[in-house]
Amino acid sequence: AQSVSQHNHHVILSEAASLELGCNYSYGGTVNLFWYVQYPGQHLQLLLKYFSGDPLVKGIKGFEAEFIKSKFSFNLRKPSVQWSDTAEYFCAVNALMEYGNKLVFGAGTILRVKS
Amino acid sequence: DGGITQSPKYLFRKEGQNVTLSCEQNLNHDAMYWYRQDPGQGLRLIYYSQIVNDFQKGDIAEGYSVSREKKESFPLTVTSAQKNPTAFYLCASSLGTGSYEQYFGPGTRLTVT
Repeated sequence: AQSVSQHNHHVILSEAASLELGCNYSYGGTVNLFWYVQYPGQHLQLLLKYFSGDPLVKGIKGFEAEFIKSKFSFNLRKPSVQWSDTAEYFCAVNALMEYGNKLVFGAGTILRVKS
Repeated sequence: DGGITQSPKYLFRKEGQNVTLSCEQNLNHDAMYWYRQDPGQGLRLIYYSQIVNDFQKGDIAEGYSVSREKKESFPLTVTSAQKNPTAFYLCASSLGTGSYEQYFGPGTRLTVT
């Protein structure tokens, strides 16, 4: 079955550490890729998205993600995390031919940043 | 103030009862979605609607039903047939389906005992 995998369910970092959250998907065709974030007590919101073009995309709050087609990956990065980045992060994939109009989410990664 | 509202925030029901969760949006979006969020499982799609009076089953539709009589409203009924209904339910909407950004509501936490 087609799926979206997030490798780490819990990540704990100290402030100023670098962050990389992994996301892999199992569909080989054209994909649209998203990272959503859920801060404590807040709505799920879009962090960044990739549709086409430059595989390195920049999002809000200093986050970026790189699409590597050969590795079926869309990892999220941030050079220096802050305490306010504590949240749950979800990778999501839309593959029109395979999933139709649906967005498929990964299981999520809970990030805790220690001050 | 545009957005998606879900009510109530917390809902408690006895086993065997149907319960309806409300979702309203004033973003003028055509598409609406219902997800279920369980710890360690991410968001799983229950139902979605691309346009008024039309909806499709998602990955876990069994035990749920929906209606889309108005563009701004997409209520979800959790029926007694749903084996494990206790969960956090999220409603979302988007301009269209597929590659469009989805906007999420605050969620309803349903507890069935």
